[in-house]
Amino acid sequence: EVQLLESGGGLVQPGGSLRLSCAASGFTFSSHTMTWVRQAPGKGLEWVSSISVADTFYTDSVMGRFTISRDNSKDTLYLQMNSLRAEDTAIYYCVKWRYYGDSWGQGTLVTVSS
Amino acid sequence: TVLTQSPGTLSLSPGEGATLSCWASRSLCSSCLAWYQQKPGQAPRLLIYNTSSRATGIPDRFSGSGSGTDFTLTISRLEPEDFAVYYCQQYYSLPRTFGQGTKVEI
Repeated sequence: EVQLLESGGGLVQPGGSLRLSCAASGFTFSSHTMTWVRQAPGKGLEWVSSISVADTFYTDSVMGRFTISRDNSKDTLYLQMNSLRAEDTAIYYCVKWRYYGDSWGQGTLVTVSS
Repeated sequence: TVLTQSPGTLSLSPGEGATLSCWASRSLCSSCLAWYQQKPGQAPRLLIYNTSSRATGIPDRFSGSGSGTDFTLTISRLEPEDFAVYYCQQYYSLPRTFGQGTKVEI
């Protein structure tokens, strides 16, 4: 059974940094593209970033501020978020990705506020 | 690629059928669309991928169709557990984009 467990969310001031982690199990992590999708309170879903075996991809609004990475030895996905803004406030989901999300974690809440 | 879902809210009763629409701002490949279901306080769940293929464990009352810019999710007979928000997502181009959602309510 695929399991994705996010951690690292919390309250941070505007301009601050946070690193999200996602511990994966139940599948061959190193072989799969992984993605972060976020959902602002009461809003819809937004694709944030993906990492394949060899490439990384970002939505424009986070380019240069967020960095996605993975540690295949630990079956863990990361999202380093710098220069955070109020509009980054959202639940961040870790998603096993095959062009679409076939398995989702329960999410971790990031709140950017002073 | 902007995806527009309609209607925004669909008010139906258990046992009725539901038709949800997703329009793309540009033509997509015929198998580049997915549908998700999200219930309050839960993560989204994949229902349909490649426009019309049901994900593992999804009952056959859910079906997807469409091509070009027009795509449809059909729920043949609503069960109480089907009342939720539904999102479409395209994977024809980057950035991957989602529709704004259709809420199916009682």
